[in-house]
Amino acid sequence: AQTVTQSQPEMSVQEAETVTLSCTYDTSESDYYLFWYKQPPSRQMILVIRQEAYKQQNATENRFSVNFQKAAKSFSLKISDSQLGDAAMYFCAYRSASTGTYKYIFGTGTRLKVLA
Amino acid sequence: DAGITQSPRHKVTETGTPVTLRCHQTENHRYMYWYRQDPGHGLRLIHYSYGVKDTDKGEVSDGYSVSRSKTEDFLLTLESATSSQTSVYFCAITEQMNTEAFFGQGTRLTVV
Repeated sequence: AQTVTQSQPEMSVQEAETVTLSCTYDTSESDYYLFWYKQPPSRQMILVIRQEAYKQQNATENRFSVNFQKAAKSFSLKISDSQLGDAAMYFCAYRSASTGTYKYIFGTGTRLKVLA
Repeated sequence: DAGITQSPRHKVTETGTPVTLRCHQTENHRYMYWYRQDPGHGLRLIHYSYGVKDTDKGEVSDGYSVSRSKTEDFLLTLESATSSQTSVYFCAITEQMNTEAFFGQGTRLTVV
């Protein structure tokens, strides 16, 4: 069974600085998707970024980028120029691309605090 | 935003009573999911559906049942609520051509 591990329960970053959130996963599959979701205090789950495992290039969305290391099964999220609005819970998630049930497996989350 | 509505948004119930949470979607997506979110555990899959009347268990299905009689509705039932089922429940949907899941706004359930 696949697992997702986020080893940092909480992180802090100064406004305008850069922070990296860690995520590792375990799978025997070769084709899958990885995601970072943001959950602000409103509780809404918001997709931040996605990565297809077959793509070598790391995904980027504005200030958010990932470092995808397939061999190491690592998928970290880098937030540049951190803003107060980035304060939230961040979840890493995995989904198989090769099965028909498309279950999403989540890590335990990292709470990010942004200091003014 | 994906059209997903969870009801109720908040509920307090007593131990031993049955509870049903509803997830309604207007996207005609095939796949629907129920997750629970607890501190230190992230989101854990309770049950999921891959079509009308097609459902299967997730990792924390004990004490829960589901039904999907229409594409748009996915019901989660706690047959006899316990305090350990106090949690925030999320419904999510996706379609085969998508990659990401889209989430409802969550239901906070308190069992006293």
